[in-house]
Amino acid sequence: GAVVSQHPSWVICKSGTSVKIECRSLDFQATTMFWYRQFPKQSLMLMATSNEGSKATYEQGVEKDKFLINHASLTLSTLTVTSAHPEDSSFYICSAGRTSVSTDTQYFGPGTRLTVL
Amino acid sequence: DAKTTQPPSMDCAEGRAANLPCNHSTISGNEYVYWYRQIHSQGPQYIIHGLKNNETNEMASLIITEDRKSSTLILPHATLRDTAVYYCIVRSRGPSGSNYKLTFGKGTLLTVNP
Repeated sequence: GAVVSQHPSWVICKSGTSVKIECRSLDFQATTMFWYRQFPKQSLMLMATSNEGSKATYEQGVEKDKFLINHASLTLSTLTVTSAHPEDSSFYICSAGRTSVSTDTQYFGPGTRLTVL
Repeated sequence: DAKTTQPPSMDCAEGRAANLPCNHSTISGNEYVYWYRQIHSQGPQYIIHGLKNNETNEMASLIITEDRKSSTLILPHATLRDTAVYYCIVRSRGPSGSNYKLTFGKGTLLTVNP
């Protein structure tokens, strides 16, 4: 149980184009989903938190107009990198959290590697 | 959330127990200790978490000191596939999304050698 998938697993795009990344919780309903970014040899950095049906909360320094997040259902959140540039090349990882009586563990997707040429 | 301190790297022989330490001296009473690991180029994998009692699951054991200022993750029989960066994270629990935040430090790179 507690499987989170991401699609695509990798994407290469030209500078100036937009890229959409999907994050799905496969076997549980995720009240909250998170988007992280990880540059080479660095740790994960939280970009934003999204709750189903409401606007995402972005971390300081993350441009909300550049990184559009939609959390339309309890099993799907999308991150759209608009007008991507080479400096946006990174490993993007989502996670999904659920709340139950005993645990509210966060589970991570496998990540999406974005390369912007 | 309280800050954690972990050694940057550790080595372990295959088949032996791997003991990964974590200091969290400023932990408060409602904060849990979570452990995740990240194998190269993959998303982090949840391992275990605890509040004050020792915990064990099919992957590992978590030993938390009585004063809760430090903990140790134990992989009882390390294999080559356990080579990864291990993150010790302290965070409070709560029903709202904002309390879910996980702040990742640099973690410990565990290398399991044959």
